[in-house]
Amino acid sequence: AQSVTQLDSQVPVFEEAPVELRCNYSSSVSVYLFWYVQYPNQGLQLLLKYLSGSTLVKGINGFEAEFNKSQTSFHLRKPSVHISDTAEYFCAVTLTSGTYKYIFGTGTRLKVLA
Amino acid sequence: DTGVSQDPRHKITKRGQNVTFRCDPISEHNRLYWYRQTLGQGPEFLTYFQNEAQLEKSRLLSDRFSAERPKGSFSTLEIQRTEQGDSAMYLCASTARESTGELFFGEGSRLTVL
Repeated sequence: AQSVTQLDSQVPVFEEAPVELRCNYSSSVSVYLFWYVQYPNQGLQLLLKYLSGSTLVKGINGFEAEFNKSQTSFHLRKPSVHISDTAEYFCAVTLTSGTYKYIFGTGTRLKVLA
Repeated sequence: DTGVSQDPRHKITKRGQNVTFRCDPISEHNRLYWYRQTLGQGPEFLTYFQNEAQLEKSRLLSDRFSAERPKGSFSTLEIQRTEQGDSAMYLCASTARESTGELFFGEGSRLTVL
């Protein structure tokens, strides 16, 4: 069965600094990978996804992520954060065939400081 | 595209009562998912449907939980004999079978069991 580990529960960072949110997955077969963001009192929104092709994926709001198959990682990065990026970020995985269950990590709370 | 809608948005009930949540997915989406999210945690998979067929159900889900999608459109999630531990946000998401994998989430139904 697939699983997702988000190594950091909270990440504080100053405005305009770069940030990396870490995500590792476990699966014996090929996967699709996603990052979702949840702003306070709102639903989850897709930031970006990796399905196939280029391992560097660009998403909305200046975020990008790199799929690393050998390290089973899909870390999320942004070169310069804004106060408005303060939110909860979730990594998710699903298999490319068979079950269509999506498994989410426990989340990383990004706190951008002025 | 009116998005995924969930009703009610908030429900307060006494322990032992039954509650039912409704989810209306995006109209052309044939896969529908239910997740549970508690404070500080990621969405936890409960079950999913393809059209009216319930294809997978979490083993963590007790017999007090039941979900239906009778005509392959809206879905209901019923919790019988609620317990305080059932207090959580219940999320619904949908996707199209031939989609590029993204789940579209509703804003959730918050359950408080007193």
